[in-house]
Amino acid sequence: DTGVSQDPRHKITKRGQNVTFRCDPISEHNRLYWYRQTLGQGPEFLTYFQNEAQLEKSRLLSDRFSAERPKGSFSTLEIQRTEQGDSAMYLCASSLLGTQYFGPGTRLLVL
Amino acid sequence: RKEVEQDPGPFNVPEGATVAFNCTYSNSASQSFFWYRQDCRKEPKLLMSVYSSGNEDGRFTAQLNRASQYISLLIRDSKLSDSATYLCVVNWSNDYKLSFGAGTTVTVRA
Repeated sequence: DTGVSQDPRHKITKRGQNVTFRCDPISEHNRLYWYRQTLGQGPEFLTYFQNEAQLEKSRLLSDRFSAERPKGSFSTLEIQRTEQGDSAMYLCASSLLGTQYFGPGTRLLVL
Repeated sequence: RKEVEQDPGPFNVPEGATVAFNCTYSNSASQSFFWYRQDCRKEPKLLMSVYSSGNEDGRFTAQLNRASQYISLLIRDSKLSDSATYLCVVNWSNDYKLSFGAGTTVTVRA
């Protein structure tokens, strides 16, 4: 399968803990995006990379969130000091030109 | 006001029926328009792009009305497998930062 992959698929953590998610985009896709989706809502944009450069961060991405794409391939999204409001599906997408292809998401539950 | 608004539904229709629904967007500078499909607890998948002149893909027809800032999707001859949430998606800086509606749920019954 050469689609976007994300790991882990599910994560349960206690409030205050740190979590890190990984996204592997489709090979040769230079653009990578992170979105967050809560129940009953559409995905909301978090941040965007072109190659290794992070070009925009949403206001939704508080100081507790950090994303990296160190070699322009895979990306990580870290949430520090998790809060219950962080519970959501975290979706990664990649694109070369035009269409964004989504990974299966990481479902986070903060207890 | 949300950037993209959709009727959440649900639209419950029998197999073979036609179902249609709209979404509206607030940014008149929007450049690209899409319909994505999302099955329960799965990722969104591109259903079709929406072009100014309207376009068709099999049983699916999409229309764009820039003057009124709305997009529509029509599904003909509904199949059970069409049951899903349909997400209206807009962006105003191509290939970047998609804005999603909350989705319209369609359930096709036998």
